[in-house]
Parts: sequence; structure tokens; C-alpha cells
Amino acid sequence: DTGVSQDPRHKITKRGQNVTFRCDPISEHNRLYWYRQTLGQGPEFLTYFQNEAQLEKSRLLSDRFSAERPKGSFSTLEIQRTEQGDSAMYLCASSPSGAGANVLTFGAGSRLTVL
Amino acid sequence: GNSVTQMEGPVTLSEEAFLTINCTYTATGYPSLFWYVQYPGEGLQLLLKATKADDKGSNKGFEATYRKETTSFHLEKGSVQVSDSAVYFCALSENTNAGKSTFGDGTTLTVKP
Repeated sequence: DTGVSQDPRHKITKRGQNVTFRCDPISEHNRLYWYRQTLGQGPEFLTYFQNEAQLEKSRLLSDRFSAERPKGSFSTLEIQRTEQGDSAMYLCASSPSGAGANVLTFGAGSRLTVL
Repeated sequence: GNSVTQMEGPVTLSEEAFLTINCTYTATGYPSLFWYVQYPGEGLQLLLKATKADDKGSNKGFEATYRKETTSFHLEKGSVQVSDSAVYFCALSENTNAGKSTFGDGTTLTVKP
């Protein structure tokens, strides 16, 4: 297994554009999480899926953000009408369900810069 | 809500020095506690964990003990190496089946030869 993969690793965009990030979790893991990390801060929870069901969303996830996991495998996080405040590292993590569900395996992240 | 507070960094030590990074938490119930480490250019990875009071997590010479009476989970290592230079994050989850974790802001450790 190659671990959790995220793509792209870096994205530079202009304010107002839409961006999409993709995450491929560990294949045996049925939970997938999105976090956001800004410089000097720890990861902040955005949302998570168990299989294809989105079970929880943070208040941080504004209407401009949407996450999907259509077949319970990979996931996408789309940000519409980007703002400079969206500049951050977007982290994906996966875990099994049940006991051990809270041990997260992270990808290397997708860094977004909004100009 | 849940929260995690880590000692502010950065921390700079000489090789073979003793390391302590303080972590305290606020949570309802009986959370599980973690230390994650992020090496330069890599994703966060689990370093150690503890799931109940008085448990000691250990890995790669690092240790942390779950202290419910002081709501703390301090990270220690007796003799650090240059390769331990990284950012260390303390985190908690509400239970072993919880879907999300709450992280501290991280402590950057630099070890000089």
C-alpha cells in the first residue's frame, strides 16, 4: 500500500477561482477525513466520511466548500470562489472504523495559495 | 468543546539532551490521547498513543503518560538525536471510535549536533 495520496501537492490560484483537491486513502480504510492547517497552527477538522456517507461537517466548512466520496474510495474537496483566507494546507487522512478509528494516517497535504 | 494546549516553541536542544514537550487538554469523558510527528516535507504520522488514565505510550524512545488528574500528556525523550528534529503535535479524540481529533498547535523541535 502506498499510504494516503493527495493531489495536487501545490495549487496557486487567483481569488474567485474554483479549486479541487483529490485524496486516495489507504484501500482498507473506510473512513476518510479532511483537515485544514494554516501556518503555525495544528490541523483543524473539516469533515469526515464513512464509506460514501458524510457523517460530520465542521462549522469551518462554509457553503463554498463541498466534499464528496461517491464510491467510498477516493474523495474530492472543492472550494468555490476562493478567497485569500482559504490559503492553507489541506490534509487528508484515513482510518479504519471501529476500534482504532481514531488513529489517523495522513497524506502529505495539498497546499493552496490564493493570490 | 475539546481543546489541546501545547507548550510554545520552538525548542532547540543539543544532541543527547533531555526533551520534554508539555501538553494539557480539556475534554469531556475519557478521551484518547496522541502525539503525532511531522518531519520536514512529510505528512503527520502517529508517534504514540494512550487510551486510558495512567497508560504510557512509547515509541522510538519517546514516552508520554496519560495523567487524568492533571489533564496532561507530556512528551519526553531521554536523549534526542538530530533526526528527531520535527514538529510535534499533541491531539485527542473523544473515544476509540471517534470520527475526528482535536490537535494542538504543534511544537517545533530542532536538535543540533
